[in-house]
Amino acid sequence: NAGVTQTPKFRVLKTGQSMTLLCAQDMNHEYMYWYRQDPGMGLRLIHYSVGEGTTAKGEVPDGYNVSRLKKQNFLLGLESAAPSQTSVYFCASSYSSLRQGDSPLHFGNGTRLTVT
Amino acid sequence: GENVGLHLPTLSVQEGDNSIINCAYSNSASDYFIWYKQESGKGPQFIIDIRSNMDKRQGQRVTVLLNKTVKHLSLQIAATQPGDSAVYFCAESGNKLVFGAGTILRVKS
Repeated sequence: NAGVTQTPKFRVLKTGQSMTLLCAQDMNHEYMYWYRQDPGMGLRLIHYSVGEGTTAKGEVPDGYNVSRLKKQNFLLGLESAAPSQTSVYFCASSYSSLRQGDSPLHFGNGTRLTVT
Repeated sequence: GENVGLHLPTLSVQEGDNSIINCAYSNSASDYFIWYKQESGKGPQFIIDIRSNMDKRQGQRVTVLLNKTVKHLSLQIAATQPGDSAVYFCAESGNKLVFGAGTILRVKS
């Protein structure tokens, strides 16, 4: 099993450009999440999904959109990139709810995005 | 990731010694706590978890202690090895999951 796979690993964008980050999981998890990680800060939730076809806003959703057309995939879009979106983005999945219950989050290895 | 280490507290230990990493949490209603390990360039990896109805839980070479009175969580790593070098952070789960920024563990050989 690959677990959670993110593509691309690195990307550089100019301000105003758009892009989509891809996340795939092969664990048949219902719940998927997008986080950003910034220096000296804890992971912050951008958007999440509780199942195929559903999405919901997290703590810092502005400037991002998501889609969950298939259970195994969760896409994060940046509509018009800004330097403040320079960060490392992590996708995660879990078997049970956002509060985790008995199931911790499984993370991908991240996408490092730089916006100039 | 590479930039995670900026401004984080650092714990340096000698190989073979025990490590204790601390975490203060904020929400007295949190009832589930998790420790993650993050190596450079990789995503966080689950280590161990504990529920609020427990004070202590042991895994392989790791122990988590929970003190609800002072809202404090600690991770103890026995016989620390070079492969334990990483950023360690806790997460608390109440009405939402909140992650701490982390502590850098450096193991000296």
